[in-house]
Amino acid sequence: DAGITQSPRHKVTETGTPVTLRCHQTENHRYMYWYRQDPGHGLRLIHYSYGVKDTDKGEVSDGYSVSRSKTEDFLLTLESATSSQTSVYFCATQTGGYGYTFGSGTRLTVV
Amino acid sequence: KQEVTQIPAALSVPEGENLVLNCSFTDSAIYNLQWFRQDPGKGLTSLLLIQSSQREQTSGRLNASLDKSSGRSTLYIAASQPGDSATYLCAVIPSGGYQKVTFGTGTKLQVIP
Repeated sequence: DAGITQSPRHKVTETGTPVTLRCHQTENHRYMYWYRQDPGHGLRLIHYSYGVKDTDKGEVSDGYSVSRSKTEDFLLTLESATSSQTSVYFCATQTGGYGYTFGSGTRLTVV
Repeated sequence: KQEVTQIPAALSVPEGENLVLNCSFTDSAIYNLQWFRQDPGKGLTSLLLIQSSQREQTSGRLNASLDKSSGRSTLYIAASQPGDSATYLCAVIPSGGYQKVTFGTGTKLQVIP
């Protein structure tokens, strides 16, 4: 979706290194979400934000942290990447009338 | 805990056929239900959003219905085309909010020319 940009699109990193994924939106939406998508598990919520500096944990938050210093940016950090964090990560925004809008995803491989 | 089931997991049909994809959920206290398509290696594209007060939504060849009492939503695709080949997911948004959304695991559709 043109309103949500995720970067990088692909990343390979080594076990134990910190990694930050970025989500940038241009629609001034209050709510933003980070999901991971894995075969057999579907989409699972990692963290979400309901405003600048307001964030909370989702279903699979262990090993991840987030920050939101501006409305348009929502960062996901893997503190010390592990192989189990190899996944496709999606950012999403949400409005009551239109539901979810997803970004194109970041494919992360931890070797 | 809300459970969302999409059956079948995969479906192959000839071009031109009308088809129905199913999404079943166990807790009827929902706020919205949203249907998406996902192409291989891509993100999720929203198709239709049905609010709890609505029974159906239509967009082009797509029609989605919602029956909260039976815990079921269906996505009807008319006159299927090869370009419809994708995985279709439903997302059940509960009254408690979007942070508690439950996604189905999807139906992978292949439309054969």
